[in-house]
Amino acid sequence: KNEVEQSPQNLTAQEGEFITINCSYSVGISALHWLQQHPGGGIVSLFMLSSGKKKHGRLIATINIQEKHSSLHITASHPRDSAVYICAVRSNTGNQFYFGTGTSLTVIP
Amino acid sequence: GAGVSQTPSNKVTEKGKYVELRCDPISGHTALYWYRQSLGQGPEFLIYFQGTGAADDSGLPNDRFFAVRPEGSVSTLKIQRTERGDSAVYLCASSLTGSGGLSEQFFGPGTRLTVL
Repeated sequence: KNEVEQSPQNLTAQEGEFITINCSYSVGISALHWLQQHPGGGIVSLFMLSSGKKKHGRLIATINIQEKHSSLHITASHPRDSAVYICAVRSNTGNQFYFGTGTSLTVIP
Repeated sequence: GAGVSQTPSNKVTEKGKYVELRCDPISGHTALYWYRQSLGQGPEFLIYFQGTGAADDSGLPNDRFFAVRPEGSVSTLKIQRTERGDSAVYLCASSLTGSGGLSEQFFGPGTRLTVL
């Protein structure tokens, strides 16, 4: 049983396309995170959300607490956006973080 | 300043052997986390240190896994009697305090463990 589910698992897009990655979770959370992981393993945090919507450059993250769902959007995608995007949630009952399996994004020039 | 470092970057061992994986957190960070990431999976929480003590070790899969942080800085993850299923990338992260989320954690590059 996975506490965090992501879709799609793999995504290939043409440069310039609008991209959406979805995340659903089943536990009570205090925060949801979107992470970016490049080949070689380095992980960078993109967003932390507890409600609403956040925007940073071409990236937008939204969360619907009632539906236990979040989306990560990338506008005007670029090959350098190619990476694995991971959704993670922090349980509201302790120190546990639960991670999705990631969405592997490839943006083709 | 230096980020989180992990050594070795790669470790190949034989089934049944003992291994130690080291994490050097960012200086001054009191919180330290260990995660494990299997191929094609997201990271999996193992253990969280606040200072020298393990504040939450609920993610350790069994008693073959143990971690220490004796002086509140460097941490060592120890795996006894390694099994092929232990093969994964072991990630370490640190944060200034333990009350923050992933956005405040700085991840190391990981140690890729392969058990033959």
